[in-house]
Amino acid sequence: AQTVTQSQPEMSVQEAETVTLSCTYDTSESDYYLFWYKQPPSRQMILVIRQEAYKQQNATENRFSVNFQKAAKSFSLKISDSQLGDAAMYFCAYRRYRGGADGLTFGKGTHLIIQP
Amino acid sequence: NAGVMQNPRHLVRRRGQEARLRCSPVKGHSHVYWYRQLPEEGLKFMVYLQKENIIDESGMPKERFSAEFPKEGPSILRIQQVVRGDSAAYFCASSASGTLSSYGYTFGSGTRLTVV
Repeated sequence: AQTVTQSQPEMSVQEAETVTLSCTYDTSESDYYLFWYKQPPSRQMILVIRQEAYKQQNATENRFSVNFQKAAKSFSLKISDSQLGDAAMYFCAYRRYRGGADGLTFGKGTHLIIQP
Repeated sequence: NAGVMQNPRHLVRRRGQEARLRCSPVKGHSHVYWYRQLPEEGLKFMVYLQKENIIDESGMPKERFSAEFPKEGPSILRIQQVVRGDSAAYFCASSASGTLSSYGYTFGSGTRLTVV
């Protein structure tokens, strides 16, 4: 079974600075998807960024980028120029690439605090 | 273009009562997923349905829980004879396709169930 581990229950960063959230996962599959979701206090789950395992290039979405290390099974999220609106819970998630009738496997989350 | 609509947003039930949670997927989406989020935890997969079919219910408790996605109308997650341990946020997500989707899913805002 796949597992996703987020080792940082809470992270704090000054506004406008950069922060990196860690995620590691365990799988025997070679093809899969990885995601970062943001959950603000409203509880809405918002997709931040996704990565296909077969792509070597790290995904980037504006201020959000990932460092995907397939051999190390690591998928960290970097947030540049942190803004107050980035404060939320961040969840790393895994999904099988094909034959996957099962859903996403989530980590326990990292609570990101933005200091003004 | 409404997203995934879940209702009610909050639901309070006494022990032993039934809870019915509703989910209307994004228009045109025929795949629905239910997840449960316990306090301080990530989301845990419960069940995956297509119209009129349960595809994967490997995450559903064996007793008291059931789900359906009829041809017409919303998907329903039913919990019979609720207990305090059922208190959680229940999320629904939908996608246009199941195994071929690389975009994660569109999530609803969840229903917070409190059992008193």
